[in-house]
Amino acid sequence: EAGVAQSPRYKIIEKRQSVAFWCNPISGHATLYWYQQILGQGPKLLIQFQNNGVVDDSQLPKDRFSAERLKGVDSTLKIQPAKLEDSAVYLCASSPGKWEIKRENTEAFFGQGTRLTVV
Amino acid sequence: LAKTTQPISMDSYEGQEVNITCSHNNIATNDYITWYQQFPSQGPRFIIQGYKTKVTNEVASLFIPADRKSSTLSLPRVSLSDTAVYYCLVGPISGSARQLTFGSGTQLTVLP
Repeated sequence: EAGVAQSPRYKIIEKRQSVAFWCNPISGHATLYWYQQILGQGPKLLIQFQNNGVVDDSQLPKDRFSAERLKGVDSTLKIQPAKLEDSAVYLCASSPGKWEIKRENTEAFFGQGTRLTVV
Repeated sequence: LAKTTQPISMDSYEGQEVNITCSHNNIATNDYITWYQQFPSQGPRFIIQGYKTKVTNEVASLFIPADRKSSTLSLPRVSLSDTAVYYCLVGPISGSARQLTFGSGTQLTVLP
């Protein structure tokens, strides 16, 4: 089974520049998450999609971050303009998101992430 | 969301059993307890999930007392490759209500 694909793997940009990350979740997974993980910390949820609708974006800095999941499949996360404090690993995860409580429906699968360095 | 508390770090030796305890005093009735493992430069990986009593799979056991205010992840006979950060998550797991909120985790270091 193919896992969650993310690209690029690494990105270095200057502050005030724009950057976009792409995520392709596991086929058929309804729920998609974007996380920000700063070095030494646990992942912080930025946005959660259920199909192509936003479930939770309360921690997304909406003045500079945006995300979309057109057609309920792939997703992109954009930062414009980037700040030094945005340097982090951006993780995408997906889960089946079905209502039945079975292990195969509730486990979330993570991609390897995109390491962003803002200089 | 129930707040979780875990030790920041733990050391162990190869072949030993490791128990990592997580406190979640305000766990809600519909909350499940889930543990993830994260290696450097990788995304977290699901280990085990439970609601009450004991759950065991091929890699770990999860012990949850009757009051569910804490849980213990047990790793039998650890090896060097088990060195990782372990996260305890508490929250609902159904459909769009499913929440994955990570704390700071426990850095487990397995020594030779």
